[in-house]
Amino acid sequence: KQEVTQIPAALSVPEGENLVLNCSFTDSAIYNLQWFRQDPGKGLTSLLLIQSSQREQTSGRLNASLDKSSGRSTLYIAASQPGDSATYLCAAFGSGTSYGKLTFGQGTILTVHP
Amino acid sequence: IAGITQAPTSQILAAGRRMTLRCTQDMRHNAMYWYRQDLGLGLRLIHYSNTAGTTGKGEVPDGYSVSRANTDDFPLTLASAVPSQTSVYFCASRETNMNTEAFFGQGTRLTVV
Repeated sequence: KQEVTQIPAALSVPEGENLVLNCSFTDSAIYNLQWFRQDPGKGLTSLLLIQSSQREQTSGRLNASLDKSSGRSTLYIAASQPGDSATYLCAAFGSGTSYGKLTFGQGTILTVHP
Repeated sequence: IAGITQAPTSQILAAGRRMTLRCTQDMRHNAMYWYRQDLGLGLRLIHYSNTAGTTGKGEVPDGYSVSRANTDDFPLTLASAVPSQTSVYFCASRETNMNTEAFFGQGTRLTVV
């Protein structure tokens, strides 16, 4: 059974700081890994998708990496802004016996203060 | 309709009543999912469907049923609601053949009293 863990559970940083959010998964048999953002009371917004054959993906100030062999992914946010404050979730899409299942971590609550 | 639409957006339901949460997508994605999100427990998969006509059980399927009669619709039914089913429910879809990203609806906030 796939288990996804996110560290830290919460993070508070001053505006302008670069930061890293961590995601680990127990079963390396994944098709891809996706990072989401969730604002309070809202749905999930997709940020980045990394295919299992890729090492990283970039979108603006966001960069996500994937190391399947070690079961880890990181989301790097450059020059953080107060508008980045949200919960960040990673999810692994399984292959093999876990095919069809998208398993989530519990998220990292990010607060960027001015 | 653009993307995934869930209905209702919120509902207060008496325990023991039957309720169907609706989910419709217009992207022709083959896979669809139902999750519940609870404080401290994160998003947990209830049921999923990899293609029309097939369904599978997720992590917390008890008390819920789904059907996938066509590509676009994936309703979630609570046969006899209980207070522990109070949660926010999210529907999602994905095109697995192209290995692309999953999209989520805006959620249904359900309170069982």
